[in-house]
Amino acid sequence: EVQLLESGGGLVQPGGSLRISCAASGFTFSSYAVSWVRQAPGKGLEWISGISGSGGSSYDADSVKGRFTISRDNSKSTLYLQMNSLSVDDTAVYYCARGGFVSGLNYFDYWGQGTLVTVSS
Amino acid sequence: VIWMTQSPSLLSASIGDRVTISCRMSQGINKYLAWYQQKPGKAPELLIYDASTLQSGVPSRFSGSGSGTDFTLTISYLQSADFATYYCQQYYSFPWTFGQGTRVEIK
Repeated sequence: EVQLLESGGGLVQPGGSLRISCAASGFTFSSYAVSWVRQAPGKGLEWISGISGSGGSSYDADSVKGRFTISRDNSKSTLYLQMNSLSVDDTAVYYCARGGFVSGLNYFDYWGQGTLVTVSS
Repeated sequence: VIWMTQSPSLLSASIGDRVTISCRMSQGINKYLAWYQQKPGKAPELLIYDASTLQSGVPSRFSGSGSGTDFTLTISYLQSADFATYYCQQYYSFPWTFGQGTRVEIK
């Protein structure tokens, strides 16, 4: 059974940093691209970053470019999102999702349960 | 950026109704569209990809159609489990974008 389990969310002050993780199981992690999709409270879904199965290529949305860095450790079947220079507009539930890259799986076929990041003073 | 207009934003319906949700693109995307269902406090779930292919395990009362700029999600016989919010998503070009969502509520 495919499972994605996010962790690391919490309360952070504006301008601060946070790293969230997503532990994958039930599939060959290195064979799939994975992405981060976020949802602000009461709002819709926003894709923010995706990375290839090998980790050699990644893409970011303009809203996070230069501030967020996606990475993965295939030996640990874990996806990461390093978030710097956080603002209140980054407050959201962050989901990791399998797929969402230019090659291979383009849509998101499995999602984690999400981790809440709150940016507030 | 490809902009998506999803309509309606709110749909009131009864058990057994046939409902349709529309998703219109700012430019053609061939068939590269997915539909997701999201229930309150839960992660989205994939329903349909490539505009009309049903994801494994999804009930056959869900169907998708369209290509180019106009797409439709249809629920043929609304069940209680179907009251949720539905999103379309294009994967024709980066950045991937989602529609604003359609909340299906009980009439």
